[in-house]
Amino acid sequence: DAKTTQPTSMDCAEGRAANLPCNHSTISGNEYVYWYRQIHSQGPQYIIHGLKNNETNEMASLIITEDRKSSTLILPHATLRDTAVYYCIVRVFGNEKLTFGTGTRLTIIP
Amino acid sequence: DVKVTQSSRYLVKRTGEKVFLECVQDMDHENMFWYRQDPGLGLRLIYFSYDVKMKEKGDIPEGYSVSREKKERFSLILESASTNQTSMYLCASSLSFRDTEAFFGQGTRLTVV
Repeated sequence: DAKTTQPTSMDCAEGRAANLPCNHSTISGNEYVYWYRQIHSQGPQYIIHGLKNNETNEMASLIITEDRKSSTLILPHATLRDTAVYYCIVRVFGNEKLTFGTGTRLTIIP
Repeated sequence: DVKVTQSSRYLVKRTGEKVFLECVQDMDHENMFWYRQDPGLGLRLIYFSYDVKMKEKGDIPEGYSVSREKKERFSLILESASTNQTSMYLCASSLSFRDTEAFFGQGTRLTVV
């Protein structure tokens, strides 16, 4: 699976949109981009995934660049409960293995 | 809702002990995983299983073994616990080969003294 690069930490004001970037320049055509988050003292939680089109669900939006070398997770109206470590993962479709990196620690500031 | 349950939230064991960490999922998922999480290193995959009695090594299998005798249960075994195995251990499950999400348990914080 391709490697991902994320900033170590970010801050965002409560109520604003939080934009979390992820670089995956070596991504191949059959690899999906997944996002998970881990709130303190809990196991990771799935957020969203996509291949090449932008995706949106009740939690977040995922914007993948046309060349698929990077993506951005958007939390449209961040709340204090969104404070967590966010993991960007690239994974081959059908590959059971899910490999995490160190993620981005997002802090929402009141 | 899918539930992944780990048998203990906190565990303290002595060096050299054989340690069993148990994980049970209630959604008939094919795949189960064991990770460990350490500060600065993120989550690292130890072993995973895609079917009963089937297992595959992850990125850091040394010092660990696993057992999956029933579909719902996946056990992580530390044959002879060492202090460098002090960590947070997380179990997860996912449905199948389709690109579905993985569900995680709450974790077991193991301390080896």
